Amino acid sequence: TQLLEQSPQFLSIQEGENLTVYCNSSSVFSSLQWYRQEPGEGPVLLVTVVTGGEVKKLKRLTFQFGDARKDSSLHITAAQPGDTGLYLCAGSLSGGYNKLIFGAGTRLAVHP
Amino acid sequence: ETGVTQSPTHLIKTRGQQVTLRCSSQSGHNTVSWYQQALGQGPQFIFQYYREEENGRGNFPPRFSGLQFPNYSSELNVNALELDDSALYLCASSLEIGGADTQYFGPGTRLTVL
Repeated sequence: TQLLEQSPQFLSIQEGENLTVYCNSSSVFSSLQWYRQEPGEGPVLLVTVVTGGEVKKLKRLTFQFGDARKDSSLHITAAQPGDTGLYLCAGSLSGGYNKLIFGAGTRLAVHP
Repeated sequence: ETGVTQSPTHLIKTRGQQVTLRCSSQSGHNTVSWYQQALGQGPQFIFQYYREEENGRGNFPPRFSGLQFPNYSSELNVNALELDDSALYLCASSLEIGGADTQYFGPGTRLTVL
């Protein structure tokens, strides 16, 4: 059972376009992280959101945590070829140990 | 560069064999988690070790076992390998066990079972 649903699975766009990736769940998370993974490498943390409704910006990337802490989105403005990669969202459930539950990922390709 | 290293980078085994994968945590981190990432999927939590003891486990059979050493490096052992065990195995270290503490991932070990 996939607790975190990511959409879309694949995204192929032209340089300069905007895009949004969604991460949805029926579970409440204490925090949610977004990672980017390159082929042959481990995931690299982009951002952690903790508070419901929180919005964080990282240059052209905007991350939002849903008010109920069940969903999140990643918006990229004016995508560049260097943004190409696998984007993963991962939620941490409340209580106990810090186990991350990952979505299946969104594979983004930005063409010049 | 996260400071987490894994070895080996790639490994090929045959069905029924045993394998040991190694992870060196970021300096000062006392918690390590292991994940399995099948092709085209997100990582799946295997287990976590905190101060040399298993602190939590995902939905993986007992033939997946681990160790954490006093210097906080760790091992993942898999016995009786099956074809479906072919995956990228990731370890992640963090400073503490709870909350929104950041997990820093290593580059992974690509295991192929033939």
